[in-house]
Amino acid sequence: AQSVTQLDSHVSVSEGTPVLLRCNYSSSYSPSLFWYVQHPNKGLQLLLKYTSAATLVKGINGFEAEFKKSETSFHLTKPSAHMSDAAEYFCVVLAGTSYDKVIFGPGTSLSVIP
Amino acid sequence: DTEVTQTPKHLVMGMTNKKSLKCEQHMGHRAMYWYKQKAKKPPELMFVYSYEKLSINESVPSRFSPECPNSSLLNLHLHALQPEDSALYLCASSQVVTVSNYGYTFGSGTRLTVV
Repeated sequence: AQSVTQLDSHVSVSEGTPVLLRCNYSSSYSPSLFWYVQHPNKGLQLLLKYTSAATLVKGINGFEAEFKKSETSFHLTKPSAHMSDAAEYFCVVLAGTSYDKVIFGPGTSLSVIP
Repeated sequence: DTEVTQTPKHLVMGMTNKKSLKCEQHMGHRAMYWYKQKAKKPPELMFVYSYEKLSINESVPSRFSPECPNSSLLNLHLHALQPEDSALYLCASSQVVTVSNYGYTFGSGTRLTVV
């Protein structure tokens, strides 16, 4: 069975410090992995994606994630948090190639303290 | 145009009302989706349309009725809703066969309140 775990429901960082949001997955297939961000009362915006090319993926707004197959992880990082990064972050697994096999993680709420 | 546009942004309706949510995209995507999202929760898949045909209905109550008039439009017709149906309704679209490479494009959602 496919699943996604986001280890922290809430992360709080100070502005200018690094951000780490953790995601682990379980999949029988070679998965495609995505990180989406959702600001309050907004839709979801794609931050970055892993699709079996380079294991270190760079996304928008300075975010990046590294796919580690041995650890079944796809953690999201950013060197320096900005106030505008405060939002909900979802790790998403596409298990297989079918467009309907999408699995959302439970989400991590990121707070940025001035 | 790389957007999914949803209207209205906010909707308040009584339990006896009939209303519709609209979604539009002009990216040539042939898969379109309705998701329901409650506060502090991930989106839950409701319906999937592929090439304008309903391909997935995730056991959604019949008071929600989807419609895909053409490849760019997706509607969600609402009738006799319950207060627990209050949520953010998100529309998304994707390439059908290459979604694994491109992911999903989401609209900003319709905030629905049932009174």
